[in-house]
Amino acid sequence: EDQVTQSPEALRLQEGESSSLNCSYTVSGLRGLFWYRQDPGKGPEFLFTLYSAGEEKEKERLKATLTKKESFLHITAPKPEDSATYLCAVNYGGSQGNLIFGKGTKLSVKP
Amino acid sequence: KAGVTQTPRYLIKTRGQQVTLSCSPISGHRSVSWYQQTPGQGLQFLFEYFSETQRNKGNFPGRFSGRQFSNSRSEMNVSTLELGDSALYLCASSAAGEQGETQYFGPGTRLLVL
Repeated sequence: EDQVTQSPEALRLQEGESSSLNCSYTVSGLRGLFWYRQDPGKGPEFLFTLYSAGEEKEKERLKATLTKKESFLHITAPKPEDSATYLCAVNYGGSQGNLIFGKGTKLSVKP
Repeated sequence: KAGVTQTPRYLIKTRGQQVTLSCSPISGHRSVSWYQQTPGQGLQFLFEYFSETQRNKGNFPGRFSGRQFSNSRSEMNVSTLELGDSALYLCASSAAGEQGETQYFGPGTRLLVL
């Protein structure tokens, strides 16, 4: 069964304490892997799209990487405003533009 | 460009009623997808519309339906509401709904069924 698994479910960091979130997937024919940030009561906000193994993208304190079976979202020196749920989603062959989402990682950054 | 907009933002209904939600995509985007988000199941794909045609459908009962208008605006309808339909309903748009294309989400409609 095609699946997207995110770990950990929740992560508590101190301000400035760098860490990584993981997204592993078991789909055939990956067409794109997407990272979104979601704040409580709001819709997901687009962060990155990755298409092929070895690809990396950066935005401020965030860096996303992709291998053949998983993606990492690295957070460097996080700030309290980085607190949110981070969602990973994949689009794979045969699904047009449909996305399969992981359950998300809830990140809390304490000052 | 203005983002994806959804109306209404909040709804309270009772079991057995029906509800219609509206979504306006980003200007120029022709593909609109709908998702249901619940704490237990996360985000699940409902259906996708492109050029007024339903192109893909997720694993939801027939009570969930939708349509798209010529200006790409979309509506989603849920008939005979059940308690389990309480969720955040999200609309996302992309230029053409092609594989690997980024989808941009609206703020969602929070539906509570009593």
